[in-house]
Amino acid sequence: GAVVSQHPSWVICKSGTSVKIECRSLDFQATTMFWYRQFPKQSLMLMATSNEGSKATYEQGVEKDKFLINHASLTLSTLTVTSAHPEDSSFYICSARGVLAGAPNEQFFGPGTRLTVL
Amino acid sequence: AQSVTQPDIHITVSEGASLELRCNYSYGATPYLFWYVQSPGQGLQLLLKYFSGDTLVQGIKGFEAEFKRSQSSFNLRKPSVHWSDAAEYFCAVGAKAAGNKLTFGGGTRVLVKP
Repeated sequence: GAVVSQHPSWVICKSGTSVKIECRSLDFQATTMFWYRQFPKQSLMLMATSNEGSKATYEQGVEKDKFLINHASLTLSTLTVTSAHPEDSSFYICSARGVLAGAPNEQFFGPGTRLTVL
Repeated sequence: AQSVTQPDIHITVSEGASLELRCNYSYGATPYLFWYVQSPGQGLQLLLKYFSGDTLVQGIKGFEAEFKRSQSSFNLRKPSVHWSDAAEYFCAVGAKAAGNKLTFGGGTRVLVKP
């Protein structure tokens, strides 16, 4: 149980285009989803926290107009990178937290999405 | 604000030898502590977690970690490493008061020599 998927697993796009990444909780309802970015050989940095049905809360330094997050249902959150540029190339990882017996405070991570902007 | 330090960027161990990865955290109250492992190009796999109770925590793949409040540490250990343990390891701290947001350490890359 507690499986989180991401789609796509990798994407290559041209500079200036927008890219949407999906994060789904497959077997539980995710009241909160988190989006992280990981640059090569670096740690994960939290970008934003989203609660179902409400606006996302962005970490300091993260442009909310560039990284649009939507958490429209209890099983789906999306991250849209708008007008992507090469410096947005990174590994994007989502995690989900829900009301799960035995794991109320645990985040379950997706497999990540590799974004390359040419 | 919470923070996590993993002092060792790289560690090389021989297969069969013991492994210890260090993690120090900073947080005003009792934190939730986690260790994750990441293989290249992959997501995170939870090895073990500490919320409360017994300070020695057993995890998957033969790993264990000990929470030491006096030292603000949560070091990860394995008695005998296997070649498949070569990966990046991340310590993370979370707190209910912080909305369960996780703060990750910088990671430790483990190389296993045959």
